[in-house]
Amino acid sequence: DVKVTQSSRYLVKRTGEKVFLECVQDMDHENMFWYRQDPGLGLRLIYFSYDVKMKEKGDIPEGYSVSREKKERFSLILESASTNQTSMYLCASSLRSGGRLTQYFGPGTRLTVL
Amino acid sequence: QKEVEQDPGPLSVPEGAIVSLNCTYSNSAFQYFMWYRQYSRKGPELLMYTYSSGNKEDGRFTAQVDKSSKYISLFIRDSQPSDSATYLCAMTPILTGGGNKLTFGTGTQLKVEL
Repeated sequence: DVKVTQSSRYLVKRTGEKVFLECVQDMDHENMFWYRQDPGLGLRLIYFSYDVKMKEKGDIPEGYSVSREKKERFSLILESASTNQTSMYLCASSLRSGGRLTQYFGPGTRLTVL
Repeated sequence: QKEVEQDPGPLSVPEGAIVSLNCTYSNSAFQYFMWYRQYSRKGPELLMYTYSSGNKEDGRFTAQVDKSSKYISLFIRDSQPSDSATYLCAMTPILTGGGNKLTFGTGTQLKVEL
């Protein structure tokens, strides 16, 4: 059974803190993604990675960075958290090619920045 | 204008009704079309997956793609209260090599009432 796990379900941080969100997948997928989900705006892609140590900016990368040192793990970093980064963060993974391009999502981390 | 448009709802129907959920899109390069279901406080889970135009049926769910009209639909027959969730459409062109980014609709919130 496919599985994407995220390190925290709920997180509360203060403005200016450095925040790490971790994502692990056990499906040997090449691609991993970080999204944020906000009411009325849907899912917006922050960063994605199609291989270890590779990363590409998504639609809203400002204020975020990522790290992928191992194939199964993709981290999202908020260098200096701000209140407008309060959101639901979703990690996903997928195969790179070869048919099924669907993404499998983790349960999400609801981050509140005070 | 967004690449993918989806009515956010909420859509409220009685149990047993036929539900029709729709998305329109503007990018003619999209080839793969997906529907995700997202329960409250959970990550999206893949419901249906279709390639190019045509219909696909899975139990009470039918996905339709009309590429000439750039219009996709998800039909739910004999709707149940357990179908109450947000439904997101997603789509992507055929890519070779790098990451397969999905473009999501904003989601339609569905409530099936007893």
